[in-house]
Amino acid sequence: EVQLVESGGGLIQPGGSLRLSCAASGFTVSSNYMSWVRQAPGKGLEWVSVIYRGGSTYYADSVKGRFTISRDNSKNTLYLQMNSLRAEDTAVYYCARDRYSYGSTFPDIWGHGTMVTVSS
Amino acid sequence: DIQMTQSPSSLSASVGDRVTITCQASQDISNYLNWYQQKPGKAPKLLIYDASNLETGVPSRFSGSGSGTDFTFTISSLQPEDIATYYCQQYDSLPITFGQGTRLDIK
Repeated sequence: EVQLVESGGGLIQPGGSLRLSCAASGFTVSSNYMSWVRQAPGKGLEWVSVIYRGGSTYYADSVKGRFTISRDNSKNTLYLQMNSLRAEDTAVYYCARDRYSYGSTFPDIWGHGTMVTVSS
Repeated sequence: DIQMTQSPSSLSASVGDRVTITCQASQDISNYLNWYQQKPGKAPKLLIYDASNLETGVPSRFSGSGSGTDFTFTISSLQPEDIATYYCQQYDSLPITFGQGTRLDIK
């Protein structure tokens, strides 16, 4: 069974750093396209980042230069390193396995999410 | 960035009603359009991909249509378990963008 389990969320002060993890089972992270999507409390969905099978990475402008997506093939785990956190980064962060279609990808299987709260 | 405009933002309907949600893209996205369902406290679930293809295991009362800039999502006969927020999403180009969501509840 394909499963994604996020962890690493919590309360962090503005300017701080946090690393989210997403442990995958039932498939191989390195052979797939993987994304992070976030949802601020009571708000809609916002795409954050994607890592392609070949290792290319892309980011939303709102996090570019502050967040880094990566993966550990030996642990079959996806990460999101978040630096210089701001109040507006407060959200539930979902990791997702993407589906490849027509030269692009979109989130297909989603984890349950982990909450990040940036507040002093 | 491609802007996705969904309407209505909220909708109240009775069990058995036909429900329609529309989504408009700010530029031509061909059929690179998906629909997700999100129940309270849960992760989104893919229902429709490539504008009109039903995801495996999703009930046939859900359907989608459209291409280019205008898209429609329909529930043919609303069931109590369909109470959720529905999002359209384009994947024609990065960044992937979502509509603002349509909150659906039972009248």
